[in-house]
Amino acid sequence: NAGVTQTPKFRILKIGQSMTLQCAQDMNHNYMYWYRQDPGMGLKLIYYSVGAGITDKGEVPNGYNVSRSTTEYFPLRLELAAPSQTSVYFCASSYNPPGQPKNNEQFFGPGTRLTVL
Amino acid sequence: KNEVEQSPQNLTAQEGEFITINCSYSVGISALHWLQQHPGGGIVSLFMLSSGKKKHGRLIATINIQEKHSSLHITASHPRDSAVYICAVSHPLDFGNEKLTFGTGTRLTIIP
Repeated sequence: NAGVTQTPKFRILKIGQSMTLQCAQDMNHNYMYWYRQDPGMGLKLIYYSVGAGITDKGEVPNGYNVSRSTTEYFPLRLELAAPSQTSVYFCASSYNPPGQPKNNEQFFGPGTRLTVL
Repeated sequence: KNEVEQSPQNLTAQEGEFITINCSYSVGISALHWLQQHPGGGIVSLFMLSSGKKKHGRLIATINIQEKHSSLHITASHPRDSAVYICAVSHPLDFGNEKLTFGTGTRLTIIP
């Protein structure tokens, strides 16, 4: 298993540009998450999904959008990039069987370092 | 809102020393997680615990639910243990889902 993969590893954007951060997992996990990590701060949840077709906002969703058309993929879209979106972005996944206590042990991708200039 | 505080923020020790990293949180949780972030940036889950103690190799994690406190210990520390150690707590969101709130991490450096 490749686990959780993310592309690209690095990207520089100009203000106002848009891009999609890709995330894929091959573990058949139902839950997927997007986090951002800023220097000196804990990871913050941007969006999450509990299954294909279901997404919800986390703590810091403004300026981002997500979709989950299949179990495997959970892309994060940045529209109109701003310097405040300079960060390291992590995708993660976990398996939570329906009707059972939440597991929430999360598996993380390698991260995407994004700079907006 | 749950706050997660870790101490120390930075820790430098000699190879072989016994290491303790602490984590405190402010409200009730369903589980506490310890994660390791390598110098290259990758994040790996080390432990998930809701009571008592867990051990994996030279790593030991304990939690005291009443005191809202957890510790991560590393015995016989080695330079390859150098990393950022992150504490995170699970607590409920709406509709039965849960979220993690993360501490800011403890940067551990082990000197040969």
